[in-house]
Amino acid sequence: AQTVTQSQPEMSVQEAETVTLSCTYDTSESDYYLFWYKQPPSRQMILVIRQEAYKQQNATENRFSVNFQKAAKSFSLKISDSQLGDAAMYFCAYRRGQGGSEKLVFGKGTKLTVNP
Amino acid sequence: NAGVMQNPRHLVRRRGQEARLRCSPMKGHSHVYWYRQLPEEGLKFMVYLQKENIIDESGMPKERFSAEFPKEGPSILRIQQVVRGDSAAYFCASASISGRAVYNEQFFGPGTRLTVL
Repeated sequence: AQTVTQSQPEMSVQEAETVTLSCTYDTSESDYYLFWYKQPPSRQMILVIRQEAYKQQNATENRFSVNFQKAAKSFSLKISDSQLGDAAMYFCAYRRGQGGSEKLVFGKGTKLTVNP
Repeated sequence: NAGVMQNPRHLVRRRGQEARLRCSPMKGHSHVYWYRQLPEEGLKFMVYLQKENIIDESGMPKERFSAEFPKEGPSILRIQQVVRGDSAAYFCASASISGRAVYNEQFFGPGTRLTVL
C-alpha cells in the first residue's frame, strides 16, 4: 500500500522569508500524482500545487514550488516570500495515475506558523 | 458554478444515535469520495462512489458505516450507533472523470464536523 510521510509536525517562518516542508512517499507504481494541500482554520481543503510523476520539471505556482526527487521518493514544498495568510496545516498527498479508484493518500500534515 | 456542498456543517449526536452526512457534488460531477479526518491527523479515504454504485469501499469500517449515491439527490454517509471515536471531520470530494482525461481533480467540500457526546 502507498504511504505518505511528513516528518515535520510543526514549522515556523518569518514573514517574507522562505520555508521548505518535507514529504516522502512509498509506492511501487510508476504512474502517479503528488499534491500539496493547504488547510486553514476554516478546514477547507485547498489545492496548492500538483506534480505528475512522469514530468521531470518541478511544478511551480507563483510563490509555491516543489522539489520532486523521484528516485528518492521525496516531494518537498517551498514557500517563498511567506505571508501571514500562508499560516495553515499543509498536507502532502499521493494518488495513483489514471485508472482505479484514484483515491488520495494523505500524510499527517505540517502546521505552518508565519511570524510577523 | 456552486462548489461541493456538505450539510450539516456541524452535527452533534449522543452515543447510540445515527448520523447522516450529506454531500452534493459540483454540477456535472458523478463521482464522490468520502474522507475522514480525526483530530491531529490527515484525511483518510473511506469510500468512492459513482451514481448508484460503490466503486471502492476499502477504507470504510466494516460495521455501522454505509454510503450511497443515488441517481437523484446527494450522496449520504450514514453512521449507525455512533461512538465517541466517530467524532471527526468528514469531507467529501467530487470529480468528473473522463476516460480521455489524464487528470481528474477532486474538489473538496467544507466538511461536516461530527461530535459524539
